Amino acid sequence: DIQLTQSPSFLSASVGDRITITCRASQGINNYLAWYQQKPGRAPKLLIYAASTLQIGVPSRFSGSGSGTEFTLTISSLQPEDFATYYCQQVTSYPLTFGGGTKVEIK
Amino acid sequence: QLVESGGTLVQPGGSLRLSCAASGFDFRSYDMNWVRQAPGKGLEWISYISYSGSPVYYADSVKGRFTVSRDNAQNSLYLQMNRLRVDDTAIYYCARVRLIPAGGSDPWGQGTLVIVSS
Repeated sequence: DIQLTQSPSFLSASVGDRITITCRASQGINNYLAWYQQKPGRAPKLLIYAASTLQIGVPSRFSGSGSGTEFTLTISSLQPEDFATYYCQQVTSYPLTFGGGTKVEIK
Repeated sequence: QLVESGGTLVQPGGSLRLSCAASGFDFRSYDMNWVRQAPGKGLEWISYISYSGSPVYYADSVKGRFTVSRDNAQNSLYLQMNRLRVDDTAIYYCARVRLIPAGGSDPWGQGTLVIVSS
């Protein structure tokens, strides 16, 4: 199975900050990576697919990059509505796997 | 839109069937996943079914106990859960697999809560 290691697991930041979350795969997955945002009590929401393609309706302050084994999710200017937990997911093969999550909280 | 139902309190060793009703898209054309989330924990993929009903895949944690199925005529997805354990307690989500390569899953249902406890 492909393991995904997300870091950091917790991040404290202020409105307006630029933040980056990293996701490392245990083996190469090309660009078969998705990023999700989850707010408390809500279902996950797809933000980015194919490692760097923004889902329709997702603000342009979100961006993704990477290929192979190392990927990043960047929020260029954190907004109040962005405080949530973020997960990466590899979609190259089953069993699908998720990273452990990164909780972004207000400093 | 996806709407899950069937979650409830069940005793260890018991059985439960979850349903996921799809609307607003051509359900018969899409593969589907079940994903769960234990209280305060991360996301765990547990099952996949292709648009036609075969193949199906399971996580090791549920293999041999859970069975995924679908009824394309009824626009419905199911998860039959047998020999339930306390560590199966979670919110269970159904999610549509996107047709785009590397597309991820979207949308997700709102989830249904399964509590396994005596």
